[in-house]
Amino acid sequence: DVQLVESGGGLVQRGGSLRLSCAASGFTFSRYWMSWVRQAPGKGLEWVANIKQDGGEKYYVDSVEGRFTISRDNAENSLYLQMYSLRVEDTAVYYCARDAATGAYSLSDYWGQGTLVTVSS
Amino acid sequence: DIQMTQSPSSLSASVGDRVTITCRASQSISSYLNWFQQKPGKAPKLLIYVVSTLQSGVPSRFSGSGSGTDFTLTISGLQPEDFATYYCQQTYRTPFTFGPGTNVDVK
Repeated sequence: DVQLVESGGGLVQRGGSLRLSCAASGFTFSRYWMSWVRQAPGKGLEWVANIKQDGGEKYYVDSVEGRFTISRDNAENSLYLQMYSLRVEDTAVYYCARDAATGAYSLSDYWGQGTLVTVSS
Repeated sequence: DIQMTQSPSSLSASVGDRVTITCRASQSISSYLNWFQQKPGKAPKLLIYVVSTLQSGVPSRFSGSGSGTDFTLTISGLQPEDFATYYCQQTYRTPFTFGPGTNVDVK
């Protein structure tokens, strides 16, 4: 079965850093784009970033560009999100998701349970 | 960035009702439109991709339609397990923006 397990969340002060991990199993990790999506408390979903199978392409939402870095280790079947200069508005549950593709279409078909990041002021 | 809007933002319905949720994109996104269901405290679940293709295991009472900028999600015969929040998402161009969500609750 496909499993995605996030870890690394916690409480951090404004301006601090945190690294999230997502351990993947049950599928050939290296064949899939992967994404991070976040959800602030009581709010909707916000797509954060994604990364190509070989790590050669990465895309970010403007609000995290330059502060967050998405990466992956295909040998370890792991996805990462390094977060710097954290802001109170980065407080959210962070989900990793597998991005399947059908032709040119992308779809996040499996999601982890999420890890909570809280940035205090 | 492509902006996604949804209407209504919330609705109250009864078991057995037909429910329709609308999603609109700020520019044409062709058929790059997915729908997700989310229940409180849970991760989102993919329901429909490429406008109208049901994800494996999703009941046939869910259907999607539309193209370009206007899309709909229909639940034909609402079931107790369908009370949740529904999000559309465009994957035409990054950032892959979501709509603000539509909460479906019990009338």
